[in-house]
Amino acid sequence: QKEVEQDPGPLSVPEGAIVSLNCTYSNSAFQYFMWYRQYSRKGPELLMYTYSSGNKEDGRFTAQVDKSSKYISLFIRDSQPSDSATYLCAMSEPSGGSYIPTFGRGTSLIVHP
Amino acid sequence: DVKVTQSSRYLVKRTGEKVFLECVQDMDHENMFWYRQDPGLGLRLIYFSYDVKMKEKGDIPEGYSVSREKKERFSLILESASTNQTSMYLCASMGGGQGDQETQYFGPGTRLLVL
Repeated sequence: QKEVEQDPGPLSVPEGAIVSLNCTYSNSAFQYFMWYRQYSRKGPELLMYTYSSGNKEDGRFTAQVDKSSKYISLFIRDSQPSDSATYLCAMSEPSGGSYIPTFGRGTSLIVHP
Repeated sequence: DVKVTQSSRYLVKRTGEKVFLECVQDMDHENMFWYRQDPGLGLRLIYFSYDVKMKEKGDIPEGYSVSREKKERFSLILESASTNQTSMYLCASMGGGQGDQETQYFGPGTRLLVL
C-alpha cells in the first residue's frame, strides 16, 4: 500500500460546481499537509498549506484535514475552467530539521464551460 | 514570493551526451531537490541537498549526479543520457525552519527529450 493514495481521475465537472479532491494516507506521523496545482507542462504551484488537523480557507479553496481518518480534502467552490489542472496532495512529518514531503500521484480536474 | 528558476524549459539531447540541468532559487533556502515526473508515476525524487556541498540520494539516483557549490544553485547531471531519461525534470527548494518553511516551491520544469 502506498503511503499516500490519490484517485488519478480525470474528474470532469461543469463550471460553477463544487469540487472535492481527496487523499488518504497511512503514516500517522504526518503533520504538514499541502495541496499543489499543476497546469499542463508547468511546475506545481503551492495552493494551500495546513498544519495538523482542521480547516483552512483561501478564497474559493478550502483545505480540510481529518487526522483521525487519515484523510485530507481540497474543496473548490464555484469552479472555473481555469481551475482545470492536476492537483497534487503532499504531506510530511516533523523531524526537527528538513524533511521530504510524500506526494500523491495527482488528480486531473477538468471544468467544462 | 519564492522564485525557483530552471535553465531550460525544453531540451533535446542525443543518447550518450552529458546533460546539465541548472536550478537557482532566490529565497536563501537550505534544501533543494530534483524530481522527475512521468505520466502515471507521479513525482519521483532523484537527489536532494540540505546544505552547500551536501547531497543525498533519493528514490531513483541511478544515472544521475548532482552538484551544489553555492546555496542558491543546484545542478542535476546526466552523465550519459539514455532514452529512458526522457522526462519532465522539476527542481524544488524548501526552507529549513518551522511552519510554512517546510513547504516546497517548484521551478517551471525542464522537458528533456533524449533521442
